[in-house]
Amino acid sequence: EAQVTQNPRYLITVTGKKLTVTCSQNMNHEYMSWYRQDPGLGLRQIYYSMNVEVTDKGDVPEGYKVSRKEKRNFPLILESPSPNQTSLYFCASRWSDRVHEQYFGPGTRLTVT
Amino acid sequence: DAKTTQPPSMDCAEGRAANLPCNHSTISGNEYVYWYRQIHSQGPQYIIHGLKNNETNEMASLIITEDRKSSTLILPHATLRDTAVYYCIVRIHNAGNMLTFGGGTRLMVKP
Repeated sequence: EAQVTQNPRYLITVTGKKLTVTCSQNMNHEYMSWYRQDPGLGLRQIYYSMNVEVTDKGDVPEGYKVSRKEKRNFPLILESPSPNQTSLYFCASRWSDRVHEQYFGPGTRLTVT
Repeated sequence: DAKTTQPPSMDCAEGRAANLPCNHSTISGNEYVYWYRQIHSQGPQYIIHGLKNNETNEMASLIITEDRKSSTLILPHATLRDTAVYYCIVRIHNAGNMLTFGGGTRLMVKP
């Protein structure tokens, strides 16, 4: 089944404790991205990657890192999480930047205390 | 990006057509209209997109007015599973921030 998977789905952590949220897609998509969704602010892009080893900042990259060493994986790294990073995170992918349709993962609900 | 305006909520009877409007009066010539939906904090789901012409796929139809200042998403036979928040997004198609969701319309399909 074609899908985007994220792990973990739920995470509660403390300020400053490094964490990684994994994202994987099995559709051989070139383009992957991370979003966060907050009440009243909608969905905002954090980082995106057009292909392996090619990443760029989205609207709200501060406090986040990403890497794209393999085509299928695009982990989101929070080196020193803070409470303002408490949010619902979505990973998404599409064939390429020339394609319109995006596929989203199920989401990761992160709480930083 | 052009700003969009959608009603905050709508109801629809099961089996009937759901018509969701979106105003985007400041849309520019190279901006597409996209529709996504989100079912209770699940990942957003792509529905359809269009530039100038009306579009139809297995999920829905998209009607764009001739002046492109508004559009309507039509779910021809709404089911209870179509209950979701529907987002209308207008932006150019590029590699950067593909989507920024606003408030959307909460569609409630009732039996």
